[in-house]
Amino acid sequence: QITLKESGPTLVKPTQTLTLTCTFSGFSLSTHGVGVGWIRQPPGGALEWLALIYWDTDKRYSPSLGSRLAITKDPSENEVVLTMTNMDPVDTATYYCARYVATTTADFDYWGQGTLVTVSS
Amino acid sequence: DIVLTQTPRSSPVTLGQPASISCRSSQSLVHSDGNTYLSWLQQRPGQPPRLLIYKISNRFSGVPDRFSGSGAGTDFTLEISRVEAEDVGVYYCMQTTQTLGFTFGPGTRVDIK
Repeated sequence: QITLKESGPTLVKPTQTLTLTCTFSGFSLSTHGVGVGWIRQPPGGALEWLALIYWDTDKRYSPSLGSRLAITKDPSENEVVLTMTNMDPVDTATYYCARYVATTTADFDYWGQGTLVTVSS
Repeated sequence: DIVLTQTPRSSPVTLGQPASISCRSSQSLVHSDGNTYLSWLQQRPGQPPRLLIYKISNRFSGVPDRFSGSGAGTDFTLEISRVEAEDVGVYYCMQTTQTLGFTFGPGTRVDIK
């Protein structure tokens, strides 16, 4: 059974750095073609892709947010960490992590439940 | 960035009747490997998104066969043959052809008349 779960602070202050952890099970991030990505959704809004890290440690970032983002992985701990610097109230959103498999669907096929992050002083 | 637009943005449907959602891309989604990486996701109220269709027309595991996808190039369609109550939610198209920047459509809300 494939599961992903996001964890991190529910409230951050403007200008602070957000650190979110995705803990997963049921698959390996060392397997060829597998990746884990982050996607966010503001309240009542649409989905926005943020970042993706592949099994070979290759990384991709949203062009509009790339300078603020960093994604890392710890396959031995089955974790992927996303950091986002200089948080602003417009970054208030539910943050999801999801598995990506380039060799089959080439899409995000399993998602976590998401974690709501509010940015406010 | 590749921009995806969806029409309609809202679709009230009678139970048992079909529904259709269109997704148009600002540029061709045909990848250099010959595949087209356009997918459809469903988000039920209060739930995370769920993959329905990948590579235009392939149903993901467990997805009912009343959902189907079609299209090519820049124009794509998701069809629900007979809408059921559990199909209420927001539907998003997504492209993963441009690996330097995945993008989602704005979403289409499907509800029951």
